[in-house]
Amino acid sequence: ETGVTQTPRHLVMGMTNKKSLKCEQHLGHNAMYWYKQSAKKPLELMFVYNFKEQTENNSVPSRFSPECPNSSHLFLHLHTLQPEDSALYLCASSQDSGGPDTQYFGPGTRLTVL
Amino acid sequence: GQNIDQPTEMTATEGAIVQINCTYQTSGFNGLFWYQQHAGEAPTFLSYNVLDGLEEKGRFSSFLSRSKGYSYLLLKELQMKDSASYLCAVMDSNYQLIWGAGTKLIIKP
Repeated sequence: ETGVTQTPRHLVMGMTNKKSLKCEQHLGHNAMYWYKQSAKKPLELMFVYNFKEQTENNSVPSRFSPECPNSSHLFLHLHTLQPEDSALYLCASSQDSGGPDTQYFGPGTRLTVL
Repeated sequence: GQNIDQPTEMTATEGAIVQINCTYQTSGFNGLFWYQQHAGEAPTFLSYNVLDGLEEKGRFSSFLSRSKGYSYLLLKELQMKDSASYLCAVMDSNYQLIWGAGTKLIIKP
């Protein structure tokens, strides 16, 4: 399944580093999402973009900065992260964020903050 | 508040049937989704229910009762490859998905 791809698949960074996660969808969708998945916890919605416009910021700390240059690409810029930010970061896309559309996920980036 | 409850872990035998339950309390309802997630992989879409009743798709079926705030995923003829986590998610009035913590299903030979 290559509908939604994410790079890198694994990332280890120190608390003072700056890194970016990349997501690309090949499904012709208009909405893209960032989720955080921690062990044994529900998926946490972080950001939603619909037609390149951010429609949701779920009280995410400013050390996470999203960017959506077009409907096919989504980035998550990371800086001065904390060890508790270690998690699986999942990107998803759907036809539109304003309707009951199925979300399709990428394989995620496993982030470890030292 | 919004809440999705599902069992943390279940064990079943290869070839058997297992039912994974999900109860929910949300602000509005625009459907309930089930996803399968193998360890280290992407969640993959299994089913969507918005009306009461049973939806069957091969070995997998999903049931919804809106009045009871209840759904279940039924897996028949279990195979070893069905070992995975199963995520229940409800779409609320703002079309955002509210997720359960997932049920880890262990299949034994």
